[in-house]
Amino acid sequence: DADVTQTPRNRITKTGKRIMLECSQTKGHDRMYWYRQDPGLGLRLIYYSFDVKDINKGEISDGYSVSRQAQAKFSLSLESAIPNQTALYFCATSRTGRDLFGGYTFGSGTRLTVV
Amino acid sequence: GENVGLHLPTLSVQEGDNSIINCAYSNSASDYFIWYKQESGKGPQFIIDIRSNMDKRQGQRVTVLLNKTVKHLSLQIAATQPGDSAVYFCAEIVAGGTSYGKLTFGQGTILTVHP
Repeated sequence: DADVTQTPRNRITKTGKRIMLECSQTKGHDRMYWYRQDPGLGLRLIYYSFDVKDINKGEISDGYSVSRQAQAKFSLSLESAIPNQTALYFCATSRTGRDLFGGYTFGSGTRLTVV
Repeated sequence: GENVGLHLPTLSVQEGDNSIINCAYSNSASDYFIWYKQESGKGPQFIIDIRSNMDKRQGQRVTVLLNKTVKHLSLQIAATQPGDSAVYFCAEIVAGGTSYGKLTFGQGTILTVHP
């Protein structure tokens, strides 16, 4: 099984619909992140969580919300999807503080299309 | 500012050549740097990392160089192979404050290796 699992892998949804992307991890890491990647561009941080009770906005949080249900689960929601949210979404995990050897572990991504 | 959301430059090399991929970072407070490889349809994968108290680190076929004076990071790939074709991203982790441990991606580079 993958260390970081994202579901669904692909999703097509209509404008205005609510959609949730889910992420679960078996790394035992405290920190979890959601990134967005647009074609030809790098990854941009949407939200991040340093532990179960900690949620922080990233650079592009407008239009998104998150929930950290447990140490191993971090979900991303689009309350009312719009076409410019069409992108590839990645979940990632990392260790705490200075013990960052090996950086982050990424999931395989969720390709979301809003029509 | 942070290097995010930029269109990606490209590098084309012949199989067997050495490749050098460059990255400029903007935050002098960053104390940990990582190179990631992203193949089509997959999440970023860790290649090599370096701490700010080092200027060079070697792995298998890869070397990372860090020049803090000019805020420059490079990834050297020896004897490049077709399987090395991917997008390569540098990333930095900022020390201190509320941003500590939060990974910020720099500009990626598309590497294409021709047989």
